Amino acid sequence: EAQVTQNPRYLITVTGKKLTVTCSQNMNHEYMSWYRQDPGLGLRQIYYSMNVEVTDKGDVPEGYKVSRKEKRNFPLILESPSPNQTSLYFCASSTGPKGAQYFGPGTRLLVL
Amino acid sequence: LAKTTQPISMDSYEGQEVNITCSHNNIATNDYITWYQQFPSQGPRFIIQGYKTKVTNEVASLFIPADRKSSTLSLPRVSLSDTAVYYCLGTGGGNKLTFGTGTQLKVEL
Repeated sequence: EAQVTQNPRYLITVTGKKLTVTCSQNMNHEYMSWYRQDPGLGLRQIYYSMNVEVTDKGDVPEGYKVSRKEKRNFPLILESPSPNQTSLYFCASSTGPKGAQYFGPGTRLLVL
Repeated sequence: LAKTTQPISMDSYEGQEVNITCSHNNIATNDYITWYQQFPSQGPRFIIQGYKTKVTNEVASLFIPADRKSSTLSLPRVSLSDTAVYYCLGTGGGNKLTFGTGTQLKVEL
C-alpha cells in the first residue's frame, strides 16, 4: 500500500530536549516536505526537499532542521524545542512540487 | 508562487451542489491549481488539479476561466461526510508550497 508514515504520532516533551520526528514514504517520490498546522493559520511549509541531499526552507523554517540522506526518509529535527513549536506536524511526498501531495497521518507535539 | 484567497467558511445542506471559489490574482503562466480536502486530525487529501478550462473526476469538477485569476471547485450533491476544510493551492514558479487557511465547509441535514 502506498503511504507516508510518521513517528511518533503523539509526543509530549520539555523545552530544550532535542527530538526527531521521522517520515518515510514507499512511493519512490523525489519531493518531500514538512508542514505545521496551527488553529487559524492553516498549513505552513517548514522545509522541503527536491531529492537526496537537496533541502530548502519553506515559510517557517526557524527552529527546525531536516536531512535527506535517503530518498524514502525525511526526518524533522527540533534541536531545542520551545513551547511555540507545539503544533500538529505533517510530512508529505510527491513526484514534485506540481504533483499531488500525499500526506502522512500527522504528529501532534506538545512542548512544555 | 501564486498567493490564493478563499472564503473562510461555507454552509450547505445534503444533496446540494457546493461551489468554492479561490482567487489567485498573481498566478504565474506555469502555475497549476490544485485542491485538497482535510478532515480533522488527518492529513490533507488530493482532490483535483487543473491548468485551464474544466477538469472533472469522480469526486469533483474544477472550473478555471480563461484569465486564470480564479478557480471554482464544484462538489455535486454533497453529503455530511463532505464536511471538511478545502484548500486551494497554487503551484509553479518556485518549489515552495503555500496552502493558506482554507475554506471550512459544513454540510447539514
